[in-house]
Order: sequence, then C-alpha cells, then structure tokens
Amino acid sequence: KQEVTQIPAALSVPEGENLVLNCSFTDSAIYNLQWFRQDPGKGLTSLLLIQSSQREQTSGRLNASLDKSSGRSTLYIAASQPGDSATYLCAVSPSGNTPLVFGKGTRLSVIA
Amino acid sequence: NAGVTQTPKFRVLKTGQSMTLLCAQDMNHEYMYWYRQDPGMGLRLIHYSVGEGTTAKGEVPDGYNVSRLKKQNFLLGLESAAPSQTSVYFCASSQQGHSYEQYFGPGTRLTVT
Repeated sequence: KQEVTQIPAALSVPEGENLVLNCSFTDSAIYNLQWFRQDPGKGLTSLLLIQSSQREQTSGRLNASLDKSSGRSTLYIAASQPGDSATYLCAVSPSGNTPLVFGKGTRLSVIA
Repeated sequence: NAGVTQTPKFRVLKTGQSMTLLCAQDMNHEYMYWYRQDPGMGLRLIHYSVGEGTTAKGEVPDGYNVSRLKKQNFLLGLESAAPSQTSVYFCASSQQGHSYEQYFGPGTRLTVT
C-alpha cells in the first residue's frame, strides 16, 4: 500500500529565505505527483503536477523535483514571503486508475 | 466560472440526524470526490465517482452514501450522524481521471453533537 510522508510537520522561516519541503513515498511505481497549497479554512489549490517521466516542474518561485527511484519529491520555494504561509501537501497517483494518496502536509510559516 | 462549490459551508447536527452535502462543479469534469480532513489524520477519501451515474468507495466509506445523478453534482449523505463524523468535508473534481489535476471546493465544516 502506497504511503506518503511529509517531514517536518511544521516549519518556520524568516522572510526572504529559500526553503525546501520534503515528500517521500513508499512505492516508486507512481503515475505522477502533485503539490497542493491549503490556506487556513480553505480548500486545496493545485500548485504543480509532475509526471513520472519528468524530473522537475517550475511555476514562478516554485520548483518541484521528482526522484522516483528514491521515492522522494521536493518543493523548493525561492525568496519566501509571508504570503507563502500555508500548509503544503503532496499527493501521488499510484496509477492512472487509482485515487490520489495524500501526505499529511507541512505547515509553513514565513515570518516578516 | 465558479469552479467547485459546496453547500452548506457550516452545519451543526445532533447525533442520529441526517443531512446531505451538495457539491457542484461547472468545469464539465468527469471525476468527482468527497474527502474528509481531520487533525492528525490528513485528507481521507470517502467516496468518488468516475462519471454520471457511477460511485465507488474510498478509504473511509462507512456511514456515508453518495449519488451522482447529474454530471455536475455529487451528493454526500449522512443517514444517521455520529460524533465521529465531525470533520471538514471537501469535494474535488478532475477532468478525466485520478491522475489529472484536482480542483477543490472550499469545504463544509460539520459538527455532530
């Protein structure tokens, strides 16, 4: 059974710092991986989707990488801002025919 | 284009009462999902649908029923609410499959006393 782990559960950084959020998964046979952002009291918003054949995806200050063989993905946030404060969740698609498996998220606080 | 909407936003029920949560999407998506989110437990899939008229069980289906009579709507029912069903419920949709980008609604906060 696929399991997704995100460590640490919470992270606090000063504004302007570059940071990396981690996601690991137990079965390397994945179809793709998605990173989501969740603001307090809100639903999830998809940030990046990486296909299994890709190594990374970029959107603005965000860069997500995927290393299937080691079962890891990272979300790199450059020049962090207080507006980046949120919970970040990763989710893997074990195959095209099974639902996403979510990690529990990392709660990020960027301090001005 | 409203995306995914959920009704109601908040609800308080007494144990044993029933209710229906409505999810609507205007993106013509085939797949729809119901999740619950609890502190320390993360996001867990309750039921999902791969198209109009279809439903399937997720990770935690007990105590819930669903229906997808119209493509744009996905209903989640609680027949006899229990305190263990106190949670935040999220609906989501995706265009053509589980591996496509998922779009989430704003959530329904349900308290069962």
